[in-house]
Amino acid sequence: DAKTTQPTSMDCAEGRAANLPCNHSTISGNEYVYWYRQIHSQGPQYIIHGLKNNETNEMASLIITEDRKSSTLILPHATLRDTAVYYCIVRSSIYNQGGKLIFGQGTELSVKP
Amino acid sequence: DSGVTQTPKHLITATGQRVTLRCSPRSGDLSVYWYQQSLDQGLQFLIQYYNGEERAKGNILERFSAQQFPDLHSELNLSSLELGDSALYFCASSVALAGQGITGELFFGEGSRLTVL
Repeated sequence: DAKTTQPTSMDCAEGRAANLPCNHSTISGNEYVYWYRQIHSQGPQYIIHGLKNNETNEMASLIITEDRKSSTLILPHATLRDTAVYYCIVRSSIYNQGGKLIFGQGTELSVKP
Repeated sequence: DSGVTQTPKHLITATGQRVTLRCSPRSGDLSVYWYQQSLDQGLQFLIQYYNGEERAKGNILERFSAQQFPDLHSELNLSSLELGDSALYFCASSVALAGQGITGELFFGEGSRLTVL
């Protein structure tokens, strides 16, 4: 699975959009970009994933560059409850790859009042 | 609530002992994954089972073993415990293997916190 690079930490003001970048320059054509978050010692929570196109759900938007070498997770109106560690993960879709997620260090997002 | 149940939530034991952590996946999920999270190592993938068979292995020590039973629940056995085994152990489940037309989301339990004294 391709390696990802994320900033160690970020701050965001409550009510503003939080834009979390991720670099995955070695991503291959059959690999998806997944985002998970972990709120202090709780189990990681799925946010969103995508392959090529931008995606949006009730939690967030995912913007993937045309060359797929980087992506941005957008939380449109961050709240204090969004304070968490956010993980960007590249994951193979090939059957025999098993589907496991390999977590990096993630970005610690602090939403401040 | 992810639907994944882990027991016990907390466990305190001594070095050299053996413990068993249990995981009940979401109803219908065939894949179970185990992860270890310690302060200095982050989330480390240990092992995955799919429908009773080992599917992928990560950084799992030889002192650790796991299995998935016919009813799809899984157990992680940790033996000859050392201080460094103190960590949060997470179980996750997913419907099937990636690439089978399923989103492949992993749903994580709330973890079992193991403290080795």
